[in-house]
Amino acid sequence: DAGVIQSPRHEVTEMGQEVTLRCKPISGHNSLFWYRQTMMRGLELLIYFNNNVPIDDSGMPEDRFSAKMPNASFSTLKIQPSEPRDSAVYFCASSVTGGGTEAFFGQGTRLTVV
Amino acid sequence: GESVGLHLPTLSVQEGDNSIINCAYSNSASDYFIWYKQESGKGPQFIIDIRSNMDKRQGQRVTVLLNKTVKHLSLQIAATQPGDSAVYFCAERGSGNQFYFGTGTSLTVIP
Repeated sequence: DAGVIQSPRHEVTEMGQEVTLRCKPISGHNSLFWYRQTMMRGLELLIYFNNNVPIDDSGMPEDRFSAKMPNASFSTLKIQPSEPRDSAVYFCASSVTGGGTEAFFGQGTRLTVV
Repeated sequence: GESVGLHLPTLSVQEGDNSIINCAYSNSASDYFIWYKQESGKGPQFIIDIRSNMDKRQGQRVTVLLNKTVKHLSLQIAATQPGDSAVYFCAERGSGNQFYFGTGTSLTVIP
């Protein structure tokens, strides 16, 4: 398996533009997580899905952020409109629900909003 | 104004020495814990895990200790190598299978 795949790896956009980050979880994993990593706040959990259903989005910073998981093999995190303070590395991770199983992380998307 | 980043604990060790990285977790009900290693430009990678019904677990060159009384985890790395230089995070699992991460510790191995 290729692991968790995120795209793009890097994104530079202007303030006010819409940004869409994409994630393909590991096949067979039924939990998916979006994290944001910054120097200021470390690794923050934004939202997670179990079986394609959003379970907890309390970590989503504002209404400008939204996430979807239309099927078991794809998820998006959208920021509209983007702001400079959204600049961060965004990670997607997936795991198997329950038991002693770790979350596997993608390589991340480095977002820069100018 | 000037932004202030997280104060990331740092640890410097000589190559070949043992390293101990500590972590305090927040939820006494957490049942599963993981140590992750993050190298520059990469996502966190699993190192070792431990369930709450255990006090100690050993892997290859790594040992995790869990003290539930004081909600404390430690990661011990034996014979630390330059390739061990990274940021290390502990993570605790919440009730819904989500993982919450600590601040992280930056380990530098001096050749």
